[in-house]
Amino acid sequence: GNSVTQMEGPVTLSEEAFLTINCTYTATGYPSLFWYVQYPGEGLQLLLKATKADDKGSNKGFEATYRKETTSFHLEKGSVQVSDSAVYFCALSDLGETSGSRLTFGEGTQLTVNP
Amino acid sequence: DTGVSQNPRHKITKRGQNVTFRCDPISEHNRLYWYRQTLGQGPEFLTYFQNEAQLEKSRLLSDRFSAERPKGSFSTLEIQRTEQGDSAMYLCASSLVRITEAFFGQGTRLTVV
Repeated sequence: GNSVTQMEGPVTLSEEAFLTINCTYTATGYPSLFWYVQYPGEGLQLLLKATKADDKGSNKGFEATYRKETTSFHLEKGSVQVSDSAVYFCALSDLGETSGSRLTFGEGTQLTVNP
Repeated sequence: DTGVSQNPRHKITKRGQNVTFRCDPISEHNRLYWYRQTLGQGPEFLTYFQNEAQLEKSRLLSDRFSAERPKGSFSTLEIQRTEQGDSAMYLCASSLVRITEAFFGQGTRLTVV
């Protein structure tokens, strides 16, 4: 079955530091890959996505590249802000006929950015 | 606002009681999903609908859980005879058929005491 593995958290950084959150996946077929962000007490917001190998998703300074050869989709940001403090989830979606577009999520990585 | 709406936002119930949650998806979205998220974990898929048809149910969805989407618009998730292990955030999401991007509501946090 499908699975997503994220680097263990929590991650604590100072403002303007470089961020990397690792994500690797196992899937049959050719999944789409996503990063979602969850702020305290809230639902999930889509941060970025990539639908095929070598695609780069980007949004709000965050980037991730779909690497089929290493089955990875690592999230990066060059300079984090306090407002980036949240939980980040890597996810994949398999558009197989019997699975709809349901998402398989990683465990989440808590990011705290200090001023 | 045309996002996914969930009600109530919070629910506290006594063990053994029944609870029902509602989800209103984005109006043109024909797929609707329910997920459960326990503390410190990622969301886990429970079930999904395409229009009014329930097409898939996870093994996580025990006999005490039932979901409906009677007219292909809003959906309800009912939990009967709640147990403490049912305490979680219940998330609803919607999407268009064959489009990978799903939009999530803010969730209903259930606490069973």
